[in-house]
This record gives sequence, structure tokens and C-alpha cells, in this order.
Amino acid sequence: DIVMTQTPLSSPVTLGQPASISCRSSQSLVHSDGNTYLSWLQQRPGQPPRLLIYKISNRFSGVPDRFSGSGAGTDFTLKISRVEAEDVGVYYCMQATQFPLTFGGGTKVEIK
Amino acid sequence: QVQLRESGPGLVKPSETLSLTCTVSGGSMNNYNWNWIRQPPGKGLDWIGNIYYSGNTNYNPSLQSRVTISLDTSKNQFSLKLSSVTAADTAVYYCARENWHYGMYAFDIWGQGTEVIVSS
Repeated sequence: DIVMTQTPLSSPVTLGQPASISCRSSQSLVHSDGNTYLSWLQQRPGQPPRLLIYKISNRFSGVPDRFSGSGAGTDFTLKISRVEAEDVGVYYCMQATQFPLTFGGGTKVEIK
Repeated sequence: QVQLRESGPGLVKPSETLSLTCTVSGGSMNNYNWNWIRQPPGKGLDWIGNIYYSGNTNYNPSLQSRVTISLDTSKNQFSLKLSSVTAADTAVYYCARENWHYGMYAFDIWGQGTEVIVSS
């Protein structure tokens, strides 16, 4: 199985300041078709997960442009340019390159 | 817009079979993959398995011997059966659509989740 490791576990952030979450995979997420199926999900308290980013850096419909994704191979990053109160929650990376599909352990974003 | 809704018993006895259904409304099940994911209390997300619109399935090896996912496109539903449950299977169970259009391969629509407790 591909292990997805996220850091930090928790990220206290001041409103309006940036936040960054790292996700590292135990092996390359480059699929045989040349694509990298790494996505980012947000889970607000008491809510189901919500797709933010797919294929490393593509923002899903309706996602604010303060969210951005980057990376390649085994190292990926989700950045929030200016954290807003509604961004509080747990963020997960997920790989769909190889079965079984796997998730990172989650990073909790909270307001200082 | 497409919505997913999980349904099924919230309490299952140990050693019995957990059965859940996900109903898809507002759109067709064709040309998507349909997934089950679970989240134990206070923990992260675990992928259980999926079923393609063709009926082909993929399961997490950690659960493969106990899991069956099936599809009923006439009812716009897909289902999860997990046999021989223990307390470790207590979790919120989510169904989710995997969208592979335009090469996405991401879970773009999720149900609200249903809590299942395994207890006698």
C-alpha cells in the first residue's frame, strides 16, 4: 500500500495569514498514464469531506483561489494564501494512482 | 445537482453483517465509479472499496475477505456489505462518487455519512 504522510498534524494560524500542509507518499504517485492522481480534501467539523484540489494542482469547481496545490512525484503541498474562519477543519491528501486508494492522516487547521 | 445519501442500520451486533445503501439522486450512475469510505471515531479516512458502472469491483485488501459492494442502476443505488463485524468496524460510513471525467480521478461528491456502531 502507498502510505501518505502529512505534516504538521496541527496548524494554528492567525486569520489572514498563510498556511501550508505537506503530504509525502511512500512511492511515486505518477501513474503509468503519466498523470499524478493526488487530491486534497477539506473536512469541516461535523461535515463530510469536500474536494478542493485534484491532480496535484487543479482547483475543483467553487473552491476559492486562496487554495492552491503543488508538488510532484512523492512530495506535495497544499497552501492557503490567507486563512479565513471558514477554513477551520481537517485537511487530507489522497492518492488514486494505485489500489488500495489511501489517505493521509490529516492536518487540523485551527485559528490561533 | 447530484446528491448521495447513505442509509442502513445504525447499530449492528458483533459477528453480524453490516449492510448499507447509497442512493444517488439528481443524476445517472453511468460513467462514474462509486466508493465506500469509513472514518472511525476521531480518526482519519479509510477507503473500503469501489464499484465501476460496469460492475467491476476493487476492495481494500485489509477488508477484502469480508466486503461486498454491489450496484443496482435501476434503483440508482449501490450497496456495501461487511460481514463478521467487530467493534473495530464502528465508524461513520461515507459513500462517494469518483469522477474520472477529464482525467480527474477524484472524489467529487460525498454523502453526509451514516454512523454505524457495532455493539451487543
